[in-house]
Amino acid sequence: AQRVTQPEKLLSVFKGAPVELKCNYSYSGSPELFWYVQYSRQRLQLLLRHISRESIKGFTADLNKGETSFHLKKPFAQEEDSAMYYCAIASGGSYIPTFGRGTSLIVHP
Amino acid sequence: DSGVTQTPKHLITATGQRVTLRCSPRSGDLSVYWYQQSLDQGLQFLIQYYNGEERAKGNILERFSAQQFPDLHSELNLSSLELGDSALYFCASSVGGQGEGEQFFGPGTRLTVL
Repeated sequence: AQRVTQPEKLLSVFKGAPVELKCNYSYSGSPELFWYVQYSRQRLQLLLRHISRESIKGFTADLNKGETSFHLKKPFAQEEDSAMYYCAIASGGSYIPTFGRGTSLIVHP
Repeated sequence: DSGVTQTPKHLITATGQRVTLRCSPRSGDLSVYWYQQSLDQGLQFLIQYYNGEERAKGNILERFSAQQFPDLHSELNLSSLELGDSALYFCASSVGGQGEGEQFFGPGTRLTVL
């Protein structure tokens, strides 16, 4: 079964500091990985997916199959990045994402 | 608002009761997905409908059922409610039925079972 682990419930950084939200997955095949974000009082929305290889709002995520990780990174955090971030995996022919428990990112001024 | 809509926003009911949650997808989207988000289980997929037909099933209890109507809105029925059913229930929609296109989420319905 596929599983996603986000080891940090809460990550607190200051504005301008680098941020890395950790995501590890368990699946031996070729998964599709996503990061979703939920800003305060807004809906859950897709931030990025690994197949797109995009940088969205300054965030990037690299799939590391050796370490089975898909960490989300941003070199300089902004206050507006404060939100709940969920890592998700779809694999084994299923396109339905399995979500991690989420990490709350707080960026202090 | 042309996004996914869900009603009601909040629902408080008692154990043993039955409730119906409603979801209207984005215009043009044929798939509707239901998710449950609870404190102990996180965000879990329940069921997907595509153009009126059940397409995928997740961890949905037998006490729960869903359907999608010809106008593509969907309803999630929860019966014989238990305290543990208290959660946030999200609906999402997408264009395709096989994972094509992004899933767009609604604001959720918060269910409290007393």
